[in-house]
Amino acid sequence: AQSVAQPEDQVKVAEGNPLTVKCTYSVSGNPYLFWYVQYPNRGLQFLLKYITGDNLVKGSYGFEAEFNKSQTSFHLKKPSALVSDSALYFCAVRDGYTNAGKSTFGDGTTLTVKP
Amino acid sequence: SAVISQKPSRDICQRGTSLTIQCQVDSQVTMMFWYRQQPGQSLTLIATANQGSEATYESGFVIDKFPISRPNLTFSTLTVSNMSPEDSSIYLCSATSGQTYEQYFGPGTRLTVT
Repeated sequence: AQSVAQPEDQVKVAEGNPLTVKCTYSVSGNPYLFWYVQYPNRGLQFLLKYITGDNLVKGSYGFEAEFNKSQTSFHLKKPSALVSDSALYFCAVRDGYTNAGKSTFGDGTTLTVKP
Repeated sequence: SAVISQKPSRDICQRGTSLTIQCQVDSQVTMMFWYRQQPGQSLTLIATANQGSEATYESGFVIDKFPISRPNLTFSTLTVSNMSPEDSSIYLCSATSGQTYEQYFGPGTRLTVT
């Protein structure tokens, strides 16, 4: 079984400040972790992933995420937020061992960046 | 990456009718999925579309209500049958490749049932 928790429904930050969107996961096998973003009235876009290797992964639009195995977390971060980063963010996990290809998505976190 | 298109982008349908949504991927993909999403909320997986065989449905979803076809590696359809207002939602097609692991999503079909 696999699951994802995004403990914050909403995150609000001021433009130029750092942002963090939290994600914790549970998976019985090898975790493959993903972040996706959904802008208003748009489909989901892939941001970044952790499969193996360096715990700090970098993705699109200046976002990065750190895989922490001991805390089973994969928090999304950006050093300096932009108003255009305002969107709905989803964390997802799949079990790399089963090769079923099916990810479980979190409930989403709405990020609001204020000017 | 894969580019996914869906048709129609939106539709308003009457109760009791059926709507078929088409999903086309611009490259061969390993797996295709169908999701449902209420605006601003999380995704609910309906089923995994299997090429040349019956789809694999998640709990709470059945083939009679949501028949799915996948005749080849790049195309799938989802039919929402005997619609009721509770079926009003955004339906998303998604695909993944064995080489890249991440999922790609279509722009969605916004369905309103009156």
